[in-house]
Amino acid sequence: GIQVEQSPPDLILQEGANSTLRCNFSDSVNNLQWFHQNPWGQLINLFYIPSGTKQNGRLSATTVATERYSLLYISSSQTTDSGVYFCAVAYGGSQGNLIFGKGTKLSVKP
Amino acid sequence: NAGVTQTPKFRILKIGQSMTLQCTQDMNHNYMYWYRQDPGMGLKLIYYSVGAGITDKGEVPNGYNVSRSTTEDFPLRLELAAPSQTSVYFCASSPSDYGYTFGSGTRLTVV
Repeated sequence: GIQVEQSPPDLILQEGANSTLRCNFSDSVNNLQWFHQNPWGQLINLFYIPSGTKQNGRLSATTVATERYSLLYISSSQTTDSGVYFCAVAYGGSQGNLIFGKGTKLSVKP
Repeated sequence: NAGVTQTPKFRILKIGQSMTLQCTQDMNHNYMYWYRQDPGMGLKLIYYSVGAGITDKGEVPNGYNVSRSTTEDFPLRLELAAPSQTSVYFCASSPSDYGYTFGSGTRLTVV
């Protein structure tokens, strides 16, 4: 099956810093999404981005489907950005069957 | 607007017991999902449904069953609980294959 690798596994930032999280996938995908899980366990859908670039406030994401990777950019990080960021993909006819990476744990210090 | 509601929030089961995790959404979403999350890992799909009366297996369906008799409800049944089913379970819904809304999770321990 498809492999989803996220890097780095852990990231510690000072408030105000910028960061880039990476997601590599081993096969062509027709669905790629980024999620944020806060320290209390709540999951939020950030982006649906099988290709191209999107921005939402301080967050933006880019997927280069032909090279099988996606990047999530966080600018001017805040303590509320802390948590785990997951990349998830689906492929073939199974668009509802998202395969999740292990995540990047982000800690933003005040 | 409650979104996705999961009950219970916590449960301890003995090995061999059965239980049903409830999931209800009030957004009229066609797609619903059950995931499990083990410590330090991403989510793994157990079952999903693209509409009432339609369900399909995900990555890790063994030991679980689902039904979808209405658009709103998608219960997950655990038969003969085993320690390997100790996990946090998340239900989610979406209008299509993106735009997920997650419930707050059920923390299940099997002893």
